[in-house]
Amino acid sequence: GNSVTQMEGPVTLSEEAFLTINCTYTATGYPSLFWYVQYPGEGLQLLLKATKADDKGSNKGFEATYRKETTSFHLEKGSVQVSDSAVYFCALRRNTGNQFYFGTGTSLTVIP
Amino acid sequence: NAGVTQTPKFQVLKTGQSMTLQCAQDMNHEYMSWYRQDPGMGLRLIHYSVGAGITDQGEVPNGYNVSRSTTEDFPLRLLSAAPSQTSVYFCASSGEYTIYFGEGSWLTVV
Repeated sequence: GNSVTQMEGPVTLSEEAFLTINCTYTATGYPSLFWYVQYPGEGLQLLLKATKADDKGSNKGFEATYRKETTSFHLEKGSVQVSDSAVYFCALRRNTGNQFYFGTGTSLTVIP
Repeated sequence: NAGVTQTPKFQVLKTGQSMTLQCAQDMNHEYMSWYRQDPGMGLRLIHYSVGAGITDQGEVPNGYNVSRSTTEDFPLRLLSAAPSQTSVYFCASSGEYTIYFGEGSWLTVV
């Protein structure tokens, strides 16, 4: 089957700290991988994506590399800001059809 | 660009009442879906549709009904609201490479 597992939260970091949120997946075939971000009181927004193995998605200082050999798509940022405080969701999309599978989300709080 | 529009944003229902959450998209996507979001459980798929006239159940379909008469609209009906249906509901529309979400509907059943 298809599923996404991401690290439990909540995560609390000081401003300018390094961020890693782990995500691993199980999928048939070759899925596309995504990170979505949800700010308080809002819907989910696409943060970055990678559609094939070894691709690196990046946006707003966040990066994630599609690692087929370890079935992982870890999210990283070198220096977090208070404005990065949000819930982050890892997701996969099957290579056939448009169905998405989401992790349970990781809450990040960045303190000044 | 409107994207995905869902209404209402907030609703309080009494147990046993019925209601419909409306969802519309203007991106001409075939695939639409409804999720509920509960603390510690992430997003759970309720129902989805791969095109007008075609719907199917997701992970947690009980107590909900959907229909898809047009490409644009995908309403979610709560048949007889229960306190366990207190949640945040998101409508979504999927294109070739990504999924777009509405802003969410906060539903409380008392």
